[in-house]
Amino acid sequence: QKEVEQNSGPLSVPEGAIASLNCTYSDRGSQSFFWYRQYSGKSPELIMFIYSNGDKEDGRFTAQLNKASQYVSLLIRDSQPSDSATYLCAVNIRIYNQGGKLIFGQGTELSVKP
Amino acid sequence: DGGITQSPKYLFRKEGQNVTLSCEQNLNHDAMYWYRQDPGQGLRLIYYSQIVNDFQKGDIAEGYSVSREKKESFPLTVTSAQKNPTAFYLCASSTVASVSYNSPLHFGNGTRLTVT
Repeated sequence: QKEVEQNSGPLSVPEGAIASLNCTYSDRGSQSFFWYRQYSGKSPELIMFIYSNGDKEDGRFTAQLNKASQYVSLLIRDSQPSDSATYLCAVNIRIYNQGGKLIFGQGTELSVKP
Repeated sequence: DGGITQSPKYLFRKEGQNVTLSCEQNLNHDAMYWYRQDPGQGLRLIYYSQIVNDFQKGDIAEGYSVSREKKESFPLTVTSAQKNPTAFYLCASSTVASVSYNSPLHFGNGTRLTVT
């Protein structure tokens, strides 16, 4: 099992719809979860981070964390063509005697059609 | 302006040559990271450092080396032992990186390395 898994997509949604992106992780003790957006040829930029179970909202974005089921999701409401990008999930994975490291999923490509 | 500077943006090398990628940050962050990204793939961790003069191997450290002599700097050397060095290399930093907890990563703009 990969440490952090995402569906690679592409996920295609019409403009104005809700896009739902999912991520599962293997380390039950993980405490830090992040969503990054990456446009083609650019570096990732932080969208949201979440540390506690439940929902966290920021504008059109909502991060949802369920530690018991080991998944984290990102909802994008009122999707816009400018949201078309690859979305990367990142999770802190504990390494015995080495501290923690941030591991990324392979990313989900989102396409928002006008 | 605070940020992370990676240089150069594009780098071309012949096979068999070592090459060093620069990463400098003025965010006063303790932790720094190097990731590699191949087309259509996510980021894979090469090395990370949580404190000066200390660093740990990530998932794909073979063929790479790093140093952390200063808090601000975390250069990555791609050696001739790295079998497939052509990739997009991203440097990042964060304020905290403990056993269970990370603060968000700030990324540089990346270096695109091509080895022929």
